[in-house]
Amino acid sequence: KAGVTQTPRYLIKTRGQQVTLSCSPISGHRSVSWYQQTPGQGLQFLFEYFSETQRNKGNFPGRFSGRQFSNSRSEMNVSTLELGDSALYLCASSMVDRGSGEQYFGPGTRLTVT
Amino acid sequence: QQPVQSPQAVILREGEDAVINCSSSKALYSVHWYRQKHGEAPVFLMILLKGGEQKGHEKISASFNEKKQQSSLYLTASQLSYSGTYFCGTENTGNQFYFGTGTSLTVIP
Repeated sequence: KAGVTQTPRYLIKTRGQQVTLSCSPISGHRSVSWYQQTPGQGLQFLFEYFSETQRNKGNFPGRFSGRQFSNSRSEMNVSTLELGDSALYLCASSMVDRGSGEQYFGPGTRLTVT
Repeated sequence: QQPVQSPQAVILREGEDAVINCSSSKALYSVHWYRQKHGEAPVFLMILLKGGEQKGHEKISASFNEKKQQSSLYLTASQLSYSGTYFCGTENTGNQFYFGTGTSLTVIP
């Protein structure tokens, strides 16, 4: 069974630009969650989508948004990039909602904002 | 609301045991445990749902004390492959999810 895939793996953007990251979950998984990982803040929850609906959202500004498609693939968008958005962005999928099920992480997208 | 893990770091010799604790200030629905090796994504170890259960996975097990809002991860007879950073992840009854502060575990020969 193929694992969680994320594209692109590496990205360099300039302040003020926007970026879209993509996540393809394991086949059959309906929940996709997004996380930001930085050396200073650690792992922080961004949001979770379950069956195309945002189930909950972490404490991030509105510049961070996401969506999930009918095939469970998910995208995350960050508008008006700031230097502090440089981070590893991880997505994880689970068969049921995240609170009840095992989560499997993708390799992440390393975003650098200059 | 980020759960606090202790210890922050621990160094073990192969074959020794370790306990990692995770404590939350919020009522919890579930606790997850993950291990992350440098440069890799976190890997799921186990999930405990409220009910005060204990789970085991090879030589790694965990407990969840719902009343105390705490969970502990037990690693027995540690192996070199156990090295990494361990995170607990807690989902509270308001569906908010937080990763813990992390515990760096190093196993040396």
